[in-house]
Formats: sequence, C-alpha cells, structure tokens
Amino acid sequence: QLQLQESGPGLVKPSETLSLTCTVSGGSISSSSYYWGWIRQPPGKGLEWIGSSHYSGSTHYNPSLKSRVTISVDTSKTQFSLKLSSVTAADTAVYYCASIGRGSGWIYYYMDVWGKGTTVTVSS
Amino acid sequence: QSALTQPASVSGSPGQSITISCTGTSSDVGGDNYVSWYQQHPGKAPKLMIYDVSNRPSGVSNRFSDSKSGNTASLTISGLQAEDEADYYCSSYTSSRTLVFGGGTKLTVL
Repeated sequence: QLQLQESGPGLVKPSETLSLTCTVSGGSISSSSYYWGWIRQPPGKGLEWIGSSHYSGSTHYNPSLKSRVTISVDTSKTQFSLKLSSVTAADTAVYYCASIGRGSGWIYYYMDVWGKGTTVTVSS
Repeated sequence: QSALTQPASVSGSPGQSITISCTGTSSDVGGDNYVSWYQQHPGKAPKLMIYDVSNRPSGVSNRFSDSKSGNTASLTISGLQAEDEADYYCSSYTSSRTLVFGGGTKLTVL
C-alpha cells in the first residue's frame, strides 16, 4: 500500500528557498502509473496545486508559481522534492505531497494518496 | 489560472441529499471528464472521493456520486450522515496540462 511522508524545515526566512522532501514507500517511484505532486494550503484557506513531476523528468507547474518552483524525482532514494525560491509570508502553508494517478483517458489528474502534510512558516 | 468556483457552504439534515457545484470553463471542467473530488476533515489531509466520472476508491461509500453538465461538475451526497461534515474540494485537469482546485465548500450536517 502506497504511503507518502513529507519532511523538511518548519521555518524558513523570507527571500530564502523552501526545500521539502517526500519519501515514497509501499510502491515504486519509477512506476509509469503515477506523477508525483505537491499541494499547499495556507492557514484557513483552500488547496493550491503547486506542480507535478514524473520519474522520466516530465514536469508541470502552476503558472503563478512556475518561476520559483522546481520539483524533481530521485529514483535512487525513492523520494521526490520541492524547492520554492524567494519565499515570502504568503508562502506560509501546510504542504502536502501526493501521488497523481492516471485516469481512463491516460491523463494524470487525480491525487489518490496523500502525505499527512507538513507546516512551513516563513518568518524572520 | 483561476480557481474553480464552489459555494462557500452548504448544509443538510441527516438522511437528506445535498449537491455541491464546481464551475469552471471549457478549458478545464468543460473539457474532457477529468474532474476529481476530495473530502477534508479539520486538521487532516484531503481524501480522494471520486474520479473518472463516479469511480470511487475502495472504501468510499456509494452515497457519493458526481455528474457534469457543460462547465459545471457536481458532487451529490445522499443519505447524509454526521461523518460527512467536512470541507469538499473539486479539482480539474486543464488544457494547459495543469491542475486547478475549487475554492472549497464547507458542508454542515444540521
């Protein structure tokens, strides 16, 4: 059974780079069945898709964050990571990693397994 | 990309049915059938409830169903139960090969 676990600093200073890792267990990170994604939720607000990456290197990012985001998959460590540069207080949120499954139309779009989330606060 | 539009809140009594709408554009919801729905209880991670036009992951009650008309998708919960009280989010694949969420709907079971 696929399980995901986020890890990384809970506090990041403004203008620095937020770095998080998601460890995958119970399944193969090199499976063609999944993209691997990050989603965030600011306090008291809704969900925001950050981006997704496939083990082949294919990536897709939220246009509003694209200039600051890098998502990559490390098959040797069964991990994928998120880097968000030049952070501000607006990036304070709970960050979730998730597996993104492929539907009947061969489009990867539904987030079927989620990590428990990790809170990241941007503050000096 | 703009967030999909959901009502901020809906409510219903136990045993009743409620419907949550999710409105987008022809570039997302109105395109092919790539809408999914999530349930989130306070302090918990979201949970996938429906994908691929009324496909439910194992363990999700058949009281949950969805439909789509034009640029609007809808989630229906029948036989409302106290445990259904939660926030619900829709999500759609877009023609730009990105994903977008709705703003979320708070369901209150009266």
